[in-house]
Amino acid sequence: RKEVEQDPGPFNVPEGATVAFNCTYSNSASQSFFWYRQDCRKEPKLLMSVYSSGNEDGRFTAQLNRASQYISLLIRDSKLSDSATYLCVVAGYSSASKIIFGSGTRLSIRP
Amino acid sequence: DTGVSQNPRHKITKRGQNVTFRCDPISEHNRLYWYRQTLGQGPEFLTYFQNEAQLEKSRLLSDRFSAERPKGSFSTLEIQRTEQGDSAMYLCASSLQEVPFPFGSGTRLTVV
Repeated sequence: RKEVEQDPGPFNVPEGATVAFNCTYSNSASQSFFWYRQDCRKEPKLLMSVYSSGNEDGRFTAQLNRASQYISLLIRDSKLSDSATYLCVVAGYSSASKIIFGSGTRLSIRP
Repeated sequence: DTGVSQNPRHKITKRGQNVTFRCDPISEHNRLYWYRQTLGQGPEFLTYFQNEAQLEKSRLLSDRFSAERPKGSFSTLEIQRTEQGDSAMYLCASSLQEVPFPFGSGTRLTVV
């Protein structure tokens, strides 16, 4: 079993729709959680951190469920520019090698 | 440009040759990470520096790979006796915090 698992997609949704992805992790000792965005043939960019209390940034909401060991990302009122691959990242305590990237979920927004 | 810079952007090499990539981090960032990414996968951790000290190295990294960060500034990643399986995007990131961000644009290696 992979340490961090994501549905690869693609999720193909119309502009304006709400879309949500989940990411599951296997290590219950994981401490920090993040979502990155990666455009085609570009480097990953940090989208947002995921806090225990949840985190909202404009149209984006991230939540953590420690009991079930998953994090989620919700995008409301999706824009064409949201088309990208979304990488889930799970980090252990003070260890760079414990920063694990998921394989990503590909999102395509259609007009 | 004050971001993370990687050179070269692309490298095509013959199997068996040695290659070296360079990463120039953001100047005040003491943490530097190297990752490798193949198509359809997330970045895979290779190694981590804090200042000039190489503190962590992936157990997946064979002895053909070596990385340095002299004086805690730029870093180099060398691959000796390249194999076709080394073909990938090699990404560098620097940071002040315990999360790799930002990343450079990467070096795309093709071994033929």
